[in-house]
Amino acid sequence: GAVVSQHPSWVICKSGTSVKIECRSLDFQATTMFWYRQFPKQSLMLMATSNEGSKATYEQGVEKDKFLINHASLTLSTLTVTSAHPEDSSFYICSASHSAASGRLYQETQYFGPGTRLLVL
Amino acid sequence: AQSVSQHNHHVILSEAASLELGCNYSYGGTVNLFWYVQYPGQHLQLLLKYFSGDPLVKGIKGFEAEFIKSKFSFNLRKPSVQWSDTAEYFCAVIDPNDYKLSFGAGTTVTVRA
Repeated sequence: GAVVSQHPSWVICKSGTSVKIECRSLDFQATTMFWYRQFPKQSLMLMATSNEGSKATYEQGVEKDKFLINHASLTLSTLTVTSAHPEDSSFYICSASHSAASGRLYQETQYFGPGTRLLVL
Repeated sequence: AQSVSQHNHHVILSEAASLELGCNYSYGGTVNLFWYVQYPGQHLQLLLKYFSGDPLVKGIKGFEAEFIKSKFSFNLRKPSVQWSDTAEYFCAVIDPNDYKLSFGAGTTVTVRA
């Protein structure tokens, strides 16, 4: 099956520092990668959509200067939380999408990474 | 973006009981539908998906879901649950306009041994 990895799985950092999270598709080339945030006992909230070689598209309310996304290749996307603050503490999850054309509607299945738990002190 | 509603916030049942989780979405056109499961401490895993064809979809671990277009529904079922089915279940829909995946709020399923 399609496997997506994330690194690190958890990180604790001081307020004001930057944290980089990597997302890799291990056995397929991902046309698109997505970054989500999940709060305790809540559903996933899409933060941004990332296509290889182009700028990420951010959802409304997500600061693009704070959450920097780089999608260097078809198997790697990184999310950097810049100048992290305690309110940025959360569970960050990436997914990678493998698409197949089907008529006018692309059939996309997103495969999710294990998530990265960030705690900012 | 799509609106996805899951009717049950928390379901508690005993082993061998049957399970049905409701999911409704808002878009009236062609959609891609998914059920994901998140076991305690683990990442989201794809249970099953519907793109087209037979509206009764079979997934992993004995789960199935039925797409009923007239009701905008994609309910998940399992005839006999096990303790290991204790998890959070998310219904999700891809919006064909922007290919973004919208999640329902999730249903926590607790299976008592």
